[in-house]
Amino acid sequence: EAQVTQNPRYLITVTGKKLTVTCSQNMNHEYMSWYRQDPGLGLRQIYYSMNVEVTDKGDVPEGYKVSRKEKRNFPLILESPSPNQTSLYFCASKVAGPSRETQYFGPGTRLLVL
Amino acid sequence: AQTVTQSQPEMSVQEAETVTLSCTYDTSENNYYLFWYKQPPSRQMILVIRQEAYKQQNATENRFSVNFQKAAKSFSLKISDSQLGDTAMYFCAFNRNSGGYQKVTFGTGTKLQVIP
Repeated sequence: EAQVTQNPRYLITVTGKKLTVTCSQNMNHEYMSWYRQDPGLGLRQIYYSMNVEVTDKGDVPEGYKVSRKEKRNFPLILESPSPNQTSLYFCASKVAGPSRETQYFGPGTRLLVL
Repeated sequence: AQTVTQSQPEMSVQEAETVTLSCTYDTSENNYYLFWYKQPPSRQMILVIRQEAYKQQNATENRFSVNFQKAAKSFSLKISDSQLGDTAMYFCAFNRNSGGYQKVTFGTGTKLQVIP
């Protein structure tokens, strides 16, 4: 089954404790992206990657890091989480090429930073 | 930079009735793509419909259709014969059609409640 998986699905942590949210897709997609969703703000793009070793900032990259060492994986790293990073996070992937192709979204990771 | 505006934070509709969700956007691009996504209580993001800016014909998918007005930069979603399963958050999204550039902009969403 074609899918995007994220782990963990739920996470409670404390300020300053480094964490990683994993994202993996099995569709051989070149393009992957991370979003955060906050009430009243919709989805905002954090980082995206066009292919292995190619990443770029989205609209809200501060406080986040990403890496793309393998095509299928695109982890989101919070080096020193803060309470304002409490949010619902989505990973997405799509084929390269025409922008008409839709993104496939993961199930979301709900993060609470105390 | 592109912006996407959804001016209706919440809407409700009676089951079997028709409802229209509005979306406007601002861009200097001429070639782009627009999407409507549905997010039910499960939080999964589901593609509802897409429109290519160079196509004048409005996209339709079963009970879902759009009214795309390129000059007015408007992209509304019409849901006909509303069903209880249509209750969800709906997001409008804009994607430039620029080869290697894949920055997607979403609106703030409209929460739709279908009333039995």
